[in-house]
Amino acid sequence: DQQVKQNSPSLSVQEGRISILNCDYTNSMFDYFLWYKKYPAEGPTFLISISSIKDKNEDGRFTVFLNKSAKHLSLHIVPSQPGDSAVYFCAASGNEKLTFGTGTRLTIIP
Amino acid sequence: NAGVMQNPRHLVRRRGQEARLRCSPMKGHSHVYWYRQLPEEGLKFMVYLQKENIIDESGMPKERFSAEFPKEGPSILRIQQVVRGDSAAYFCASSPGDDYGYTFGSGTRLTVV
Repeated sequence: DQQVKQNSPSLSVQEGRISILNCDYTNSMFDYFLWYKKYPAEGPTFLISISSIKDKNEDGRFTVFLNKSAKHLSLHIVPSQPGDSAVYFCAASGNEKLTFGTGTRLTIIP
Repeated sequence: NAGVMQNPRHLVRRRGQEARLRCSPMKGHSHVYWYRQLPEEGLKFMVYLQKENIIDESGMPKERFSAEFPKEGPSILRIQQVVRGDSAAYFCASSPGDDYGYTFGSGTRLTVV
């Protein structure tokens, strides 16, 4: 039972354009959502988060949007840079643990 | 301020052997989580521990897997009688327990031959 879903396994975006990564969840008890970035052979690193009481959180080039009624969140990266090429995991918090999606591999094309 | 330290980074075991994976949390962090990433899959929760206590082990396979976080020393994830299907990257994360974010280690890549 996949409670957090990232339906796009991969995404390619031209450098300088906007990258939009999507995530859907099924459990309405999740109250906090996070995005992690992962390079090969490294652990995930925290990128940005949002509480369920908000619908937007912004940090520099990164913005996360939350649509609770649709149980959907998205990560926008603008402008995209080559160093953004990585696997991005969406995660949802509930019962003191994080549930992760399967990840989206983002490739930024120079 | 060292991050979450996992060792070894790579571990090769023959089928039937035991694997011991170690995790030292960040200084000041008393909550430890273990996740497993199988090839081409996301991170799957295994177990959540606090010092000397297992809080949630709902993601742990019922057989052969165990975890501990003793009063002194690192957290240990132990896999007995390993099989090829145990080959994966095992990540440890820690948190101070007062927020939702974790800090992850670099992982241990277990290969069973």
